[in-house]
Amino acid sequence: AQTVTQSQPEMSVQEAETVTLSCTYDTSENNYYLFWYKQPPSRQMILVIRQEAYKQQNATENRFSVNFQKAAKSFSLKISDSQLGDTAMYFCAFMKHRNSGGSNYKLTFGKGTLLTVNP
Amino acid sequence: DGGITQSPKYLFRKEGQNVTLSCEQNLNHDAMYWYRQDPGQGLRLIYYSQIVNDFQKGDIAEGYSVSREKKESFPLTVTSAQKNPTAFYLCASSAPQGTNEKLFFGSGTQLSVL
Repeated sequence: AQTVTQSQPEMSVQEAETVTLSCTYDTSENNYYLFWYKQPPSRQMILVIRQEAYKQQNATENRFSVNFQKAAKSFSLKISDSQLGDTAMYFCAFMKHRNSGGSNYKLTFGKGTLLTVNP
Repeated sequence: DGGITQSPKYLFRKEGQNVTLSCEQNLNHDAMYWYRQDPGQGLRLIYYSQIVNDFQKGDIAEGYSVSREKKESFPLTVTSAQKNPTAFYLCASSAPQGTNEKLFFGSGTQLSVL
């Protein structure tokens, strides 16, 4: 079974600064997908960024980028130029690749990191 | 607009009562999911369905039931056997694998016990 660990329950950052959220995972799979989801106070889950494990290049989406270290099973999220609207709970999640067989549609979540951006 | 609709937004359950949470999607997705969110616990998978008329238990299925009679709909029933039903429930769907795998979420239902 896969597990996802987010070791930082809460973090804060000043507006316009950069912050990094940590995520580690445990799996015996070689191919899989990793995700960061954002949940603002509205509680709507919003996909921030997606990484395919078989791709060497780190994914980026505007101010959001990841540092994917496959050997270390680490998947951190960097938010640059933080904005007040980035205040949210951030969840790291894991999904098996379609070629892994079995129940590979499931998304396994970490417990989340509450990020507060201060003005 | 395509998306996932969950209703109601808030739901109250009396002791011994079954309640049903609605989830409808018009994204033409094959797979649908139900997650439960408790404070400090992240999201935990209750049930999921990869195709119509088929579904599988997730990690915390006890006290819950589902049906998948139509591709667009995946209702969740919280039965009286679920002793601690107060939580935020999220429904999600995903496109067939091989087509940009990711989950799309509804806006959730907050269930509370009276």
